[in-house]
Amino acid sequence: RKEVEQDPGPFNVPEGATVAFNCTYSNSASQSFFWYRQDCRKEPKLLMSVYSSGNEDGRFTAQLNRASQYISLLIRDSKLSDSATYLCVVTLPGYSSASKIIFGSGTRLSIRP
Amino acid sequence: DARVTQTPRHKVTEMGQEVTMRCQPILGHNTVFWYRQTMMQGLELLAYFRNRAPLDDSGMPKDRFSAEMPDATLATLKIQPSEPRDSAVYFCASGLVLNDKGNTIYFGEGSWLTVV
Repeated sequence: RKEVEQDPGPFNVPEGATVAFNCTYSNSASQSFFWYRQDCRKEPKLLMSVYSSGNEDGRFTAQLNRASQYISLLIRDSKLSDSATYLCVVTLPGYSSASKIIFGSGTRLSIRP
Repeated sequence: DARVTQTPRHKVTEMGQEVTMRCQPILGHNTVFWYRQTMMQGLELLAYFRNRAPLDDSGMPKDRFSAEMPDATLATLKIQPSEPRDSAVYFCASGLVLNDKGNTIYFGEGSWLTVV
């Protein structure tokens, strides 16, 4: 089983729609969680961290469910510019307690006019 | 704007040739990661360093890949000999990771490798 799993999509939704992605992780000792965004042929960039209490940044809301070992990303009022691949990121305990940062394979989102 | 710098940006090479990719992490970052991305596998962690010490290279094929960090401003990933299946984008990322907690990592633009 992969350490971090995501639905690859693609999600194809109209502009203005609300869309949500989930990501599951296998290691209950996972420590920190993030969502990154990757545009076509570009490098991944941090979108937002995911806090235990859930957090919001404008149209984006991230939530963590430790009991069920998943994190989610909700995008409200989607824009054409939101079209990208969204990568779930989990920090695992690593060798000598130095954390490993593991990426999911990403969920592709396409917003249509 | 501080950024991670990778060279070369693009490389086409013949099977069997040695390939060396270089990365200059952001000054002050203590952790450097090498990832490989393909359509089929997504982003795979190959190796990472903390304060220049290699911590985990279990994701890397040992027979042909090697990763080093000769100084704080340079990380290298070498493939010898290269094979067509090594064709991928290789990303270097760096971050300031404190107290074994994950923190933001920043990616370079990637080295796009094609082995023919």
